[in-house]
Amino acid sequence: GQQVMQIPQYQHVQEGEDFTTYCNSSTTLSNIQWYKQRPGGHPVFLIQLVKSGEVKKQKRLTFQFGEAKKNSSLHITATQTTDVGTYFCADLYNFNKFYFGSGTKLNVKP
Amino acid sequence: ETGVTQSPTHLIKTRGQQVTLRCSSQSGHNTVSWYQQALGQGPQFIFQYYREEENGRGNFPPRFSGLQFPNYSSELNVNALELDDSALYLCASSESGGGYEQYFGPGTRLTVT
Repeated sequence: GQQVMQIPQYQHVQEGEDFTTYCNSSTTLSNIQWYKQRPGGHPVFLIQLVKSGEVKKQKRLTFQFGEAKKNSSLHITATQTTDVGTYFCADLYNFNKFYFGSGTKLNVKP
Repeated sequence: ETGVTQSPTHLIKTRGQQVTLRCSSQSGHNTVSWYQQALGQGPQFIFQYYREEENGRGNFPPRFSGLQFPNYSSELNVNALELDDSALYLCASSESGGGYEQYFGPGTRLTVT
């Protein structure tokens, strides 16, 4: 199956600082989805990236898909306490299986 | 529009027992995927059901089985429970097979003692 690696594992930031999490693979990624899971909650879909070099924005969140489709990133500008949670990337394999990374846990200090 | 629901919320079982978890998909979705999420880990794909047929399976043994019903709700059955089966079990519904955004249910927390 696909191996999707996420870094960093943890990130602690002061409110207002920026945050970036990276999703990397040694093989070509197919279709990347990003999810956010709040503590005690379930994953919530954020975005899907399909095309090489694609960039999508949602308010303070910017999602990128690498030109070679071997990496993806999620960048949050000016973090807020509501951004606390674990961010996962997931790659689509064989058209029907999503392989999730191990996630980046974000903590934001007010 | 009804979201994805799962039952029960929590469950405690003994090693060797069998368990059935249930999931109701979001209105209009015909695909349900099941995931196992151990503490501090990402969700691990168990299998997917599309229009009542298994449509892909992850690296889980045959004692993990499932069903999908005509209304697209689904069950996950686990036989001969092991301690390592303790986890949060999530189902996610989506449109028409793989590749679409997934809507996750709140999960069932299974503890095996």
